[in-house]
Amino acid sequence: DAGVTQSPTHLIKTRGQQVTLRCSPKSGHDTVSWYQQALGQGPQFIFQYYEEEERQRGNFPDRFSGHQFPNYSSELNVNALLLGDSALYLCASSLRDVNTEAFFGQGTRLTVV
Amino acid sequence: AQSVSQHNHHVILSEAASLELGCNYSYGGTVNLFWYVQYPGQHLQLLLKYFSGDPLVKGIKGFEAEFIKSKFSFNLRKPSVQWSDTAEYFCAVRGRYQKVTFGTGTKLQVIP
Repeated sequence: DAGVTQSPTHLIKTRGQQVTLRCSPKSGHDTVSWYQQALGQGPQFIFQYYEEEERQRGNFPDRFSGHQFPNYSSELNVNALLLGDSALYLCASSLRDVNTEAFFGQGTRLTVV
Repeated sequence: AQSVSQHNHHVILSEAASLELGCNYSYGGTVNLFWYVQYPGQHLQLLLKYFSGDPLVKGIKGFEAEFIKSKFSFNLRKPSVQWSDTAEYFCAVRGRYQKVTFGTGTKLQVIP
């Protein structure tokens, strides 16, 4: 049973460019959350998708957007990249039922130069 | 709004020493509490979780945590650490709608 898979694992982009990160949830999970983990910090909640809609959002600008597909996989898009967007982006999947834990992928390391 | 505070940013212990990492949270409703561990170069892994019931929770690798509701705390403990416990530890709280808020993490270094 595959866990949460993210692609790509590493990415280098230039300021002003756009990036798309992808996540496949653990089999059977219907909810995907995205987190940004800057160096030396804990993961910060970006947003969560369930039933193909954004259900909750953290304190991130509109440059950060996402999508969830019918097969529950998800994409995170970041427009107009800034140097400060350099971070590890984590995807976590879970079941909508509140009494279950989230499983995390290995993340995508984004470097903006 | 929910928040998590981890008191220790960097802890250095010798093997066989006892460990306690502090975690306090802020949230007005029913919470789920977690400790995650991130070994060097690896993804976040769940150590243990508290949803309800016995406030003393046992996790993997000999770790345990105690939920003290009156103190809004969920401290992580291990009686005797090993070199392989060197990692970064994150306390997290989940309130409604499954939004998870993490603390800033504690880096544990265990010296052989």
